[in-house]
Amino acid sequence: NAGVMQNPRHLVRRRGQEARLRCSPMKGHSHVYWYRQLPEEGLKFMVYLQKENIIDESGMPKERFSAEFPKEGPSILRIQQVVRGDSAAYFCASSLEGNTEAFFGQGTRLTVV
Amino acid sequence: KQEVTQIPAALSVPEGENLVLNCSFTDSAIYNLQWFRQDPGKGLTSLLLIQSSQREQTSGRLNASLDKSSGRSTLYIAASQPGDSATYLCAPLGGSEKLVFGKGTKLTVNP
Repeated sequence: NAGVMQNPRHLVRRRGQEARLRCSPMKGHSHVYWYRQLPEEGLKFMVYLQKENIIDESGMPKERFSAEFPKEGPSILRIQQVVRGDSAAYFCASSLEGNTEAFFGQGTRLTVV
Repeated sequence: KQEVTQIPAALSVPEGENLVLNCSFTDSAIYNLQWFRQDPGKGLTSLLLIQSSQREQTSGRLNASLDKSSGRSTLYIAASQPGDSATYLCAPLGGSEKLVFGKGTKLTVNP
């Protein structure tokens, strides 16, 4: 059973471009969470999704950021018109149910130049 | 709003020492609490999950305790090894169904 898979592992974007980060949860998991980690900072919650539903997006910036978890395929975190301050590691986690053990992917390290 | 504090922020010990990492949280209404380790440039590895009804959970040289009423958890590492060097994170899970993280304890075990 493969773990949580994130791709790409590293992503470089120029200011103003779009970044698309993908997350495939563990097999059988229908709950997905996205977190952001800035250098020397803790992990900050961004969004919690179930298949085709956004459950909690209280940690998402109001503009430029969006997330989806379609019925088929991976969860996608999209950042439009990236700025240097978006440079961070983005982690995805999945769980079987909403209050069960969460497993994390290796993260996508986004660098905006 | 849940807030998590981990003490100490950094710890350096010689190999073989037993050590305790502390975690405190402000909202005791939690389902469970997870301890993770994070190696530099890597993702998080789940170490232990303690349910709110449990007081302790053990895995190998690791033992985690939970005192939900006082908002505290500790991670005990026995006979530390250089391979234990990493950042250790605790994260309670409450009614919002999202993990809230502290800033972690950076552990260095010296050979």
